[in-house]
Amino acid sequence: DSGVTQTPKHLITATGQRVTLRCSPRSGDLSVYWYQQSLDQGLQFLIQYYNGEERAKGNILERFSAQQFPDLHSELNLSSLELGDSALYFCASSTLGGAGDEQYFGPGTRLTVT
Amino acid sequence: GENVEQHPSTLSVQEGDSAVIKCTYSDSASNYFPWYKQELGKRPQLIIDIRSNVGEKKDQRIAVTLNKTAKHFSLHITETQPEDSAVYFCAAKRSGNTGKLIFGQGTTLQVKP
Repeated sequence: DSGVTQTPKHLITATGQRVTLRCSPRSGDLSVYWYQQSLDQGLQFLIQYYNGEERAKGNILERFSAQQFPDLHSELNLSSLELGDSALYFCASSTLGGAGDEQYFGPGTRLTVT
Repeated sequence: GENVEQHPSTLSVQEGDSAVIKCTYSDSASNYFPWYKQELGKRPQLIIDIRSNVGEKKDQRIAVTLNKTAKHFSLHITETQPEDSAVYFCAAKRSGNTGKLIFGQGTTLQVKP
């Protein structure tokens, strides 16, 4: 157990819908990361937050948004869902968020869009 | 751009043999290189990492080597066991205050008993 928690574990929804994925970092970690893992794309970095502020952005679609709250938990919002958004979404956390900082992954949320 | 190439995509070895997975990165500003192991349906778990000021690091049966000049790093697993069977990902992170990890495509390792 990495200490990072994610809810829900599984999510099944229809195209066009909107979902929210939630992540709680390890105790003491200030930085949260979101990654998408699909069969043909591997692990793709989406976005990083540090202490409530966006720090880095990857290939995150405009239909996706995220935020980190004062209690440091984070939410990833996915809207206008398409079949291709079906994937495993991982959250990771680290102490500070800089280079050399180890990232610990949560158990993931499996999203299925039908 | 930032890219990490990982080879091979699949690797099958006999129990007790060694396994080697290789990665090449493109961003010369990269200075942190972790390796993750992911079992089916589970989260990636950090197994070893190396920073750019070190050429080699070892932890029991696992070792990682880094060649900064060639922008190349490798994972070595000795005396493989069936429980080593999993997907292994290399990654690279550039220096600076962001934690963005660029992952390789993954290597599926199968250790046959």
